[in-house]
Amino acid sequence: QSVLTQPPSASGTPGQRVTISCSGSSSNIGSHTVNWYQQLSGTAPKLLIYTNTQRPSGVPDRFSGSQSGTSASLAISGLQSEDETDYYCAAWDDSLNGWVFGGGTRLTVL
Amino acid sequence: QVHLQESGPGLVKPSETLSLTCTVSGGSIRGYYWTWLRQPPGKGLEWIGYIHDTGSTNYSPSLKSRGTISLFTSGNQFSLRVNSVTAADTAIYYCARGRGGSPTDHWFDPWGQGILVTVSS
Repeated sequence: QSVLTQPPSASGTPGQRVTISCSGSSSNIGSHTVNWYQQLSGTAPKLLIYTNTQRPSGVPDRFSGSQSGTSASLAISGLQSEDETDYYCAAWDDSLNGWVFGGGTRLTVL
Repeated sequence: QVHLQESGPGLVKPSETLSLTCTVSGGSIRGYYWTWLRQPPGKGLEWIGYIHDTGSTNYSPSLKSRGTISLFTSGNQFSLRVNSVTAADTAIYYCARGRGGSPTDHWFDPWGQGILVTVSS
């Protein structure tokens, strides 16, 4: 059972906009910034969004992040086939005194 | 471009000590949170702990004091040791650089490619 809650799966068709949610509590998302990681099959995770909304250089602007209260979201617009992979949210948790992750969301492009 | 590479044995016997090294190339080791994470096969990501170049450390409570992270600035390396391993410690272990000024608000970038460690007799 992960501390941050993500839907195990999400799907969309090419060109569509998809949103992946990440739900937490006042001890994590409610108090700290959220980062998102993309993990292609068989490879290491890669930073996708940091500090709730910031994109590292090289990440397309199709990817965007938001945070409100104790929840955060990752939005992917103009969905492409190469977006079909796993996505994880992460935040610091004051109660556990450590980083916590969501269980991951597998995105399928139909 | 900073690059991280994990190294160490891929097989460890139960009750023994898991020992991994992460070599950092292409950048300074100063000013970052050098982090270990792991991912059991087919499962999600778990944070193990970090060491800052000031020497401060923080570990996941789930390790129950079995873990130690050390920093070797002269060699641009940091290491992880986990004592008394069990099958539950079988995972892909990743090292990563924690960027951002705060111990509680930073991000992991880049990551090493990961190394699979299996605990089995």
